[in-house]
Parts: sequence; C-alpha cells; structure tokens
Amino acid sequence: AQTVTQSQPEMSVQEAETVTLSCTYDTSESNYYLFWYKQPPSRQMILVIRQEAYKQQNATENRFSVNFQKAAKSFSLKISDSQLGDTAMYFCAFLPFFQGGSEKLVFGKGTKLTVNP
Amino acid sequence: DTAVSQTPKYLVTQMGNDKSIKCEQNLGHDTMYWYKQDSKKFLKIMFSYNNKELIINETVPNRFSPKSPDKAHLNLHINSLELGDSAVYFCASSQDEGPMETQYFGPGTRLLVL
Repeated sequence: AQTVTQSQPEMSVQEAETVTLSCTYDTSESNYYLFWYKQPPSRQMILVIRQEAYKQQNATENRFSVNFQKAAKSFSLKISDSQLGDTAMYFCAFLPFFQGGSEKLVFGKGTKLTVNP
Repeated sequence: DTAVSQTPKYLVTQMGNDKSIKCEQNLGHDTMYWYKQDSKKFLKIMFSYNNKELIINETVPNRFSPKSPDKAHLNLHINSLELGDSAVYFCASSQDEGPMETQYFGPGTRLLVL
C-alpha cells in the first residue's frame, strides 16, 4: 500500500521569505502523480501544483515549485516570496496511475504553514 | 489499525438508485469530513460534522445527506444517483474543528454510476 509522509506538522515563515515543505512517499508503482493541495480556513481544497512521475523536470506554478526526487521518493514544495494569503494547511498527495483503473488519492496528514507579517 | 475506514471501497450502481457510503474513525476525533475528488483530481469539501453536529455544508445537491449516528461515524447517503455523481469520495477526521487541524484521510470510495 502506498503511504505519504509529511514530517513537519507545523511551519512558519516571514512574509517575502522562502519556505520548503517536505513530503516523502512509499510506492512500488512506476507510474503515478504527485500533488500539493492548499486548504485555507475556508476548508476548500485548492490544487497548487502537480507532478507526473515520468517527467524529470520539476513542476513550477508562479511562486510555487517542487523538488521531485524520484529515486529518493521525495516531493517537496517550495514557496517563494511568501505572502500572508499562503497561510493554510498544505497536503501532499499521491495518485497511482492504472490504465483504465480506479485512481484514488493517498494523502499525507498535512503541514500547517503560517506566514508572519 | 486502520485510523479512518470507508466502506465500500468501490461501488458500481445504476442511475436513480440510492446508496450509502460509511465512514468510521477510531482516533477519538471530534470532527469528520466528506470530500469529493472529481475526474480532474480537484477536491471539494462537502460536509463537516463536529460531535455529531453539522458545521460545514457546502453547496451540494440535497440528494446528498450526511448522517452521524455518533462522533466516530459519518455516513453519506445519496438519493437518486446521477451520472455526474461518479467520483471518489473521501472521508477524513481531525481532533477538532479548527481550520488548521491535521486531518486523517480514509482510503476513498470510488463510486461509478452507470
């Protein structure tokens, strides 16, 4: 069974600085996707960034980028120029990819990020 | 030692049927949630209960009705199933209802409506 581990329950960063959230996963699959979701106090889940395992290039979305290390099964999220609105829970998720099969996300427990003014 | 369990894991049914998905947590948490994962892997929160009381009720069709017989269980009942209800439904729990609480997710229930 796949597992996702977020080893940092809480983190804080000063506004405008850079912070990195860690995520490791365990799987025997070769095809899969990885995601970072942001959950602000409103509770709605926002997809921040996704990475396909077959792509070596790290995904980037504006101030958000990932460091994907497939051999190490590591998928960290870097937030540059942190903003107050980045304060939220961040969930790392893994999705095994089966051709024509059912695909369910596997979640980490979340990292609470606080951006301080 | 499953923390959050859901039954069934897979559910295939016909349009118009009524079905239920069960969720149980053995963590002693006070708050439980239902999320829907759509085909594009977007996640939406549907409901949240704290100590058997509804605290979040997002805009979902009233065909969806959560039921919490006790704080360890939060079941999702869906009436008159439609094709668009096909999705993966996740249950989760947290110690309390604070917006930044660690959440433990269940394995998901894949619902396919034919």
